[in-house]
Amino acid sequence: EAGVAQSPRYKIIEKRQSVAFWCNPISGHATLYWYQQILGQGPKLLIQFQNNGVVDDSQLPKDRFSAERLKGVDSTLKIQPAKLEDSAVYLCASSYLGGHEQYFGPGTRLTVT
Amino acid sequence: QKEVEQNSGPLSVPEGAIASLNCTYSDRGSQSFFWYRQYSGKSPELIMFIYSNGDKEDGRFTAQLNKASQYVSLLIRDSQPSDSATYLCAVKGFGNEKLTFGTGTRLTIIP
Repeated sequence: EAGVAQSPRYKIIEKRQSVAFWCNPISGHATLYWYQQILGQGPKLLIQFQNNGVVDDSQLPKDRFSAERLKGVDSTLKIQPAKLEDSAVYLCASSYLGGHEQYFGPGTRLTVT
Repeated sequence: QKEVEQNSGPLSVPEGAIASLNCTYSDRGSQSFFWYRQYSGKSPELIMFIYSNGDKEDGRFTAQLNKASQYVSLLIRDSQPSDSATYLCAVKGFGNEKLTFGTGTRLTIIP
């Protein structure tokens, strides 16, 4: 079974620029998560989708971050405009509906200069 | 706001010894508890989860939960150098509630 795919793996941008990340979950997984992991910290949930509906986006900075999951499969996370403090690894994860285990993708390492 | 506390380490353990990793959580309503392992530069992978008070064993790993004390631990027996990683504790409430992660404990197994 193919794992969670993410792209790009690395991205360097200047502050105030925009960036987008893409995630393709494991086939059949209804729930998709985007996490932000700052160096030395645990992952922090930004947004959780169930199929193409949002379950939790309470920690998403909505003035600059947006996410969508069209057709309940792939998802994109966008940052516009980026700030220095957005430098982090952005992890996508997926799980079966009601499943205990979240499967993480390899992540996208974002550096904002 | 749920909080999950872990000692950031680093925790150094000789090869073959038992490594003990601890985690406390603030929300008494938390229902399920997870241990993830994260190698440097890699993404987290689930080791174990536990729901009920007591111990749960899986190979060299044992998770222990004490809901009254709001404490969960992970024991790694016969520690191997390949166990060197950061161990993340995560807790979850009911239903679709999100996972809340601790900051992780960095474990180093010394050959």
